[in-house]
Amino acid sequence: QQQVKQSPQSLIVQKGGISIINCAYENTAFDYFPWYQQFPGKGPALLIAIRPDVSEKKEGRFTISFNKSAKQFSLHIMDSQPGDSATYFCAATAGGGSNYKLTFGKGTLLTVNP
Amino acid sequence: EAGVVQSPRYKIIEKKQPVAFWCNPISGHNTLYWYLQNLGQGPELLIRYENEEAVDDSQLPKDRFSAERLKGVDSTLKIQPAELGDSAVYLCASSFGPQGMQYFGPGTRLTVT
Repeated sequence: QQQVKQSPQSLIVQKGGISIINCAYENTAFDYFPWYQQFPGKGPALLIAIRPDVSEKKEGRFTISFNKSAKQFSLHIMDSQPGDSATYFCAATAGGGSNYKLTFGKGTLLTVNP
Repeated sequence: EAGVVQSPRYKIIEKKQPVAFWCNPISGHNTLYWYLQNLGQGPELLIRYENEEAVDDSQLPKDRFSAERLKGVDSTLKIQPAELGDSAVYLCASSFGPQGMQYFGPGTRLTVT
């Protein structure tokens, strides 16, 4: 059972455009939602994260929008650049302590054309 | 500050052979994770250590996979015998405590022929 569904599988955007990646989750116990960026040959790196007590979090060109009632969250990359070309994973986890366990989406391959 | 170090970066073996992966976490990180990442998929947790104790190994296929973290620092993940379906990237991550941000290593890409 896939607990975090991510779409689209791939995305092509022109330089300067907005990239939008969506995720939906089923487990209402999830309370921490990070996004990871992975370049070829590298491990995933934390990009930005949100907790469900806020509806939006912005860090530079990256914004997470969170809709608790719909159990959906999305990543928006403003003014997309060729250097943003990577695979993006949404993830979710429930609780802290010994229950800290990331469940990842399947990833979105973003290509930003110059 | 050095990140998570993994070796080897690439490994090609024939099926039924054993293979081992090594991970050195970030200094001071007592929590260590091993993940499996299949092509086109997100990472899936195999095992999590708190110091030298494996506190979550529910997803580790114990018939052929084993892991150890003897002194609570470096860790080794072993597969014996390897199967074709084990071809994937094996990622190691570490954090300061189970709620800390996880830092991933570059992974070991395993190809089983």
